Amino acid sequence: DAGVIQSPRHEVTEMGQEVTLRCKPISGHNSLFWYRQTMMRGLELLIYFNNNVPIDDSGMPEDRFSAKMPNASFSTLKIQPSEPRDSAVYFCASRAQGLNTEAFFGQGTRLTVV
Amino acid sequence: AQTVTQSQPEMSVQEAETVTLSCTYDTSESDYYLFWYKQPPSRQMILVIRQEAYKQQNATENRFSVNFQKAAKSFSLKISDSQLGDAAMYFCAYRSGGGAQKLVFGQGTRLTINP
Repeated sequence: DAGVIQSPRHEVTEMGQEVTLRCKPISGHNSLFWYRQTMMRGLELLIYFNNNVPIDDSGMPEDRFSAKMPNASFSTLKIQPSEPRDSAVYFCASRAQGLNTEAFFGQGTRLTVV
Repeated sequence: AQTVTQSQPEMSVQEAETVTLSCTYDTSESDYYLFWYKQPPSRQMILVIRQEAYKQQNATENRFSVNFQKAAKSFSLKISDSQLGDAAMYFCAYRSGGGAQKLVFGQGTRLTINP
């Protein structure tokens, strides 16, 4: 398996623009997570899905952020409009069903908003 | 809410020596999992080792082992025979054994290996 695939790896955009980050989880995994990593706040969960259904979105910073999972093999995280404080590395992770399983991470998308 | 604390922002060790990274956590749960993840400069988060709270035996993966002290809520990582490739950020993480599936991360420890 190719692992969790995220695109793009790097994104530079201007303030006010819409940004869409993409994630393809590992086939057969039924949980998908979006994390954000910054120097100030470390790694924090934004939202996670179980069987394509959002379960916990309490970490989503504000209404400018939205996430979707239209099917088991694809998820998006959208920021509209983007702001410089959104600059961070965004990770997607997936996990198979079961308590004794572990999360596998993608390589992350480094977002820079100028 | 659960919290994870890594009190060592940076550590360094001589190649081939042993180093221990500290992690403490706070929870009221009895069933949970603990993890150490490695993040090299490539940014990839790589699972190093995991520990189930119900297991008394400390987990070991080759040169990596943990010292799990459940009563003290401590979960340290020992790296033996340190290698240059071990240089990375190391994150301690907690996951509930119940419904909440998210990982709660510590702030990380940057490990430098001196040749």
